[in-house]
Amino acid sequence: DTAVSQTPKYLVTQMGNDKSIKCEQNLGHDTMYWYKQDSKKFLKIMFSYNNKELIINETVPNRFSPKSPDKAHLNLHINSLELGDSAVYFCASSPGLAGANVLTFGAGSRLTVL
Amino acid sequence: AQSVTQPDIHITVSEGASLELRCNYSYGATPYLFWYVQSPGQGLQLLLKYFSGDTLVQGIKGFEAEFKRSQSSFNLRKPSVHWSDAAEYFCALNTGTASKLTFGTGTRLQVTL
Repeated sequence: DTAVSQTPKYLVTQMGNDKSIKCEQNLGHDTMYWYKQDSKKFLKIMFSYNNKELIINETVPNRFSPKSPDKAHLNLHINSLELGDSAVYFCASSPGLAGANVLTFGAGSRLTVL
Repeated sequence: AQSVTQPDIHITVSEGASLELRCNYSYGATPYLFWYVQSPGQGLQLLLKYFSGDTLVQGIKGFEAEFKRSQSSFNLRKPSVHWSDAAEYFCALNTGTASKLTFGTGTRLQVTL
């Protein structure tokens, strides 16, 4: 049973389209995150939510809108996709906010914008 | 602001040889330090972590890391590398109360037979 699951695993779409990536965790964690990994493998945090409340928004364009319907789910919706949005998006979760918490990552969703 | 530096972009070692991957950090106090591994097409798996106490920490798959405050380093080591260790390795740090892992740029490990 996958701890942090993301769907879809692969997403190929045209510029200007809108797409969503879904994430679910069954670990009972309070905190969830979205990270972006670019073509050079660099990982950068985009958002974090704690108990459905937005905690971190790392100057991500407004085209990206996370939504957390409950603390087990964190979805990412992207409007008006651009070529530069092509990346692997990782969802993660942790027991809480404190820095000592270990993040558990999903397998990633590879987004390709043509 | 905190940062993590992994000086080696790519390392190649022979199977059975020892391995050391370098990680340096910049932060005013002692951070929480982590090593994650990413196999091709996979997510990130935690290898080990350092929070406090013994500066030599043991992880999964035979890996260990040593925290050296004087050098602001947290290098990852393995005495004998296996072909299945070929992957991307990320050092990361976290600080304070707002969990926000800051990653290094990663080191790609290639293992030759």
